[in-house]
Amino acid sequence: ELKVEQNPLFLSMQEGKNYTIYCNYSTTSDRLYWYRQDPGKSLESLFVLLSNGAVKQEGRLMASLDTKARLSTLHITAAVHDLSATYFCAVDRGGGYQKVTFGIGTKLQVIP
Amino acid sequence: DTEVTQTPKHLVMGMTNKKSLKCEQHMGHRAMYWYKQKAKKPPELMFVYSYEKLSINESVPSRFSPECPNSSLLNLHLHALQPEDSALYLCASSQRSGDSYNEQFFGPGTRLTVL
Repeated sequence: ELKVEQNPLFLSMQEGKNYTIYCNYSTTSDRLYWYRQDPGKSLESLFVLLSNGAVKQEGRLMASLDTKARLSTLHITAAVHDLSATYFCAVDRGGGYQKVTFGIGTKLQVIP
Repeated sequence: DTEVTQTPKHLVMGMTNKKSLKCEQHMGHRAMYWYKQKAKKPPELMFVYSYEKLSINESVPSRFSPECPNSSLLNLHLHALQPEDSALYLCASSQRSGDSYNEQFFGPGTRLTVL
């Protein structure tokens, strides 16, 4: 059974600071996604990481994937209040159709 | 059109009611999904349709009945629900790429309350 662990579960940080969210998974996969969810809202796709060593950046967020270590990171640079949300990583179990397992989520609170 | 729409946005129903949730996408995606999300939890996969055929049922109780009338529509029929079924129900779709699928696009969800 595929297990996906995220840490930290909760992150409170000041504006302007940097931090990293970690996503570990238990079985081989080369397809990982990061999503953002605002309170009471749906999920927004942030990044799709499809191969070992993949790195994607959008604004103050950068995601990377190390399939050998079964680890993905979401790095936040110079955080701003608008980044406050819950971030989920999701790992594709494969099999020809997309059956993803979500991590429990990291609730990020950026304090002005 | 690059979005997934869901109706209704909110639904309150009694345990003896029958209701349906509707999901629609016009992106040409051939996989569609239903998820259930409880507060402060990640989404839990319920059903997957691939090319209008049910491909995954994650041991969901029969009081939830999915239906995919065509490649753009996905319904979730609800009957005799329990209060613990109250949650945000999310629909998603994704496009096939080779032998796999791309990232999922989520609808805004239906907030369901069962009294």
